[in-house]
Amino acid sequence: KNEVEQSPQNLTAQEGEFITINCSYSVGISALHWLQQHPGGGIVSLFMLSSGKKKHGRLIATINIQEKHSSLHITASHPRDSAVYICAVRSGYNTDKLIFGTGTRLQVFP
Amino acid sequence: DTGVSQDPRHKITKRGQNVTFRCDPISEHNRLYWYRQTLGQGPEFLTYFQNEAQLEKSRLLSDRFSAERPKGSFSTLEIQRTEQGDSAMYLCASRKDTQETQYFGPGTRLLVL
Repeated sequence: KNEVEQSPQNLTAQEGEFITINCSYSVGISALHWLQQHPGGGIVSLFMLSSGKKKHGRLIATINIQEKHSSLHITASHPRDSAVYICAVRSGYNTDKLIFGTGTRLQVFP
Repeated sequence: DTGVSQDPRHKITKRGQNVTFRCDPISEHNRLYWYRQTLGQGPEFLTYFQNEAQLEKSRLLSDRFSAERPKGSFSTLEIQRTEQGDSAMYLCASRKDTQETQYFGPGTRLLVL
């Protein structure tokens, strides 16, 4: 079993829909990251969370430390949001190693 | 824009050959990371440096893999005696000590024939 699990693996949506991507982890963590990867490989960091909730534009990320779960929400989705969204955790304070989920492939159709 | 750069962007080699990749981090970023990503999977941690010191290595980093960051600036990742299973995207990232966010390079895509 992977230490970081994401669901769903694939997601299709119509433009304007509200999107939720989930991440569950089985290890203790010091930080959780949400990343976006476009075709061709480029990875961009979206959020870093250690507690609570963060918002940036149409993106909202939440984390529940007790339940070991995080969600990434996209409001008013747009075709340019089509990408792979990856959750990654730093599994403690004595390591800088990130453990990545396998990603959620999102396609938003006009 | 002086983001993280990687060279080459693509490499095709024959099994058994040695390959070396270079990563130039954002200046003033003292932490540098190497990851490997195979098709349909998330990245996997390989190793990281704080300045010139290699502080952590994954068990994925077999004896055929070596990474250096001699002057605490650019880094190289060498794979000796390449195998077909080494075919992957090799990603480099960097960050400052004072920030959690890592900035990723475009990656080097390796194909071993």
